[in-house]
Amino acid sequence: EAQVTQNPRYLITVTGKKLTVTCSQNMNHEYMSWYRQDPGLGLRQIYYSMNVEVTDKGDVPEGYKVSRKEKRNFPLILESPSPNQTSLYFCASSLRQGGSGANVLTFGAGSRLTVL
Amino acid sequence: AQTVTQSQPEMSVQEAETVTLSCTYDTSENNYYLFWYKQPPSRQMILVIRQEAYKQQNATENRFSVNFQKAAKSFSLKISDSQLGDTAMYFCAFMKLPPNKLIFGTGTLLAVQP
Repeated sequence: EAQVTQNPRYLITVTGKKLTVTCSQNMNHEYMSWYRQDPGLGLRQIYYSMNVEVTDKGDVPEGYKVSRKEKRNFPLILESPSPNQTSLYFCASSLRQGGSGANVLTFGAGSRLTVL
Repeated sequence: AQTVTQSQPEMSVQEAETVTLSCTYDTSENNYYLFWYKQPPSRQMILVIRQEAYKQQNATENRFSVNFQKAAKSFSLKISDSQLGDTAMYFCAFMKLPPNKLIFGTGTLLAVQP
């Protein structure tokens, strides 16, 4: 089944304790991206990657890091989490260009993160 | 910068009735894509419908259709024969290529009443 898999789905942590949210897709998509969802704000892009070893900032990158060492994986790293990073996080992927699917993002199931 | 506005935070509709969700956007681009996503209580983001800006014909997917007014920068979603399973948050979103970045509105929470 074509899908984007995120782990963990739920996590409660404390301020300053480094954590990583993993994201993996099995569709050979070039483009991957992370979003956070907060009440009243919709979804906002954190980082994106156009291909392996190519990443760039989205609209709210502060406090986050990403890497793209392999095409299928795009982990989100919080080096020193703070309470304002409590949110619902989504990973998404798509073909970069070409074909009718190039503009359709497939989303993971979401990761609920709470930072105390 | 592009922005997407959904002016209806919450809406309610009776089962089997028709409801229209509003969305406006702001852009100076000519070629772009517009989407409606549904987020049920499971929180999964589900694509409902998409529209290419260069196509004049409004997109339709079963009970879901859009009214795309490019000059007015308006992109409303009509749900016909509403079902209880349509209860969800609905997000309007804009995309310009490249990159494949989606810009979301703040969402409309739709409740379908039995």
